[in-house]
Amino acid sequence: AQTVTQSQPEMSVQEAETVTLSCTYDTSESNYYLFWYKQPPSRQMILVIRQEAYKQQNATENRFSVNFQKAAKSFSLKISDSQLGDTAMYFCSTRIQGAQKLVFGQGTRLTINP
Amino acid sequence: DTAVSQTPKYLVTQMGNDKSIKCEQNLGHDTMYWYKQDSKKFLKIMFSYNNKELIINETVPNRFSPKSPDKAHLNLHINSLELGDSAVYFCASSQDFPDTQYFGPGTRLTVL
Repeated sequence: AQTVTQSQPEMSVQEAETVTLSCTYDTSESNYYLFWYKQPPSRQMILVIRQEAYKQQNATENRFSVNFQKAAKSFSLKISDSQLGDTAMYFCSTRIQGAQKLVFGQGTRLTINP
Repeated sequence: DTAVSQTPKYLVTQMGNDKSIKCEQNLGHDTMYWYKQDSKKFLKIMFSYNNKELIINETVPNRFSPKSPDKAHLNLHINSLELGDSAVYFCASSQDFPDTQYFGPGTRLTVL
């Protein structure tokens, strides 16, 4: 079975700082995908970034990047130059090939302070 | 031009009632999902439909019955509502694997 663990329930940083959110997962599959979703106070779930497990290169989307360590089963999210609008719950999730579901971590509540 | 829409966004009802939540996607996706987010923000899949056929049913009580009249719609009907059903319910859709799942705005259900 797949499991996803986010060990940081809450984090808080000042605007413009860099912050890293941790995620570890457990799977016996060789082909899977990893995602970070953001849930702002509006409640909408928004995809932040996606990583294919077979790709060595870490995914990047503007200020958001991941550090994917396949052997360690670690998938952390780095937010550079953080902005007030980054304040949200962040969920790490994984999906194995052929499976029609995402498995989510417990979430990290990130607050960006002015 | 909302991609995945849900109605209603808020639902307050008494224990024992029956209620439905509707979901529609205009993305042309083949697969739709229902997720439940509990009071601790934990998200868990309930059902998945592919082209109107049930693919996943994750040990959800049979008081919950999804219905997919066509591949653009997936409704969730809940019978005999219980206090523990209070949660936020999210609909999502995706094209074939490994496409991203797009989520609706969620429906906050409160059972009194």
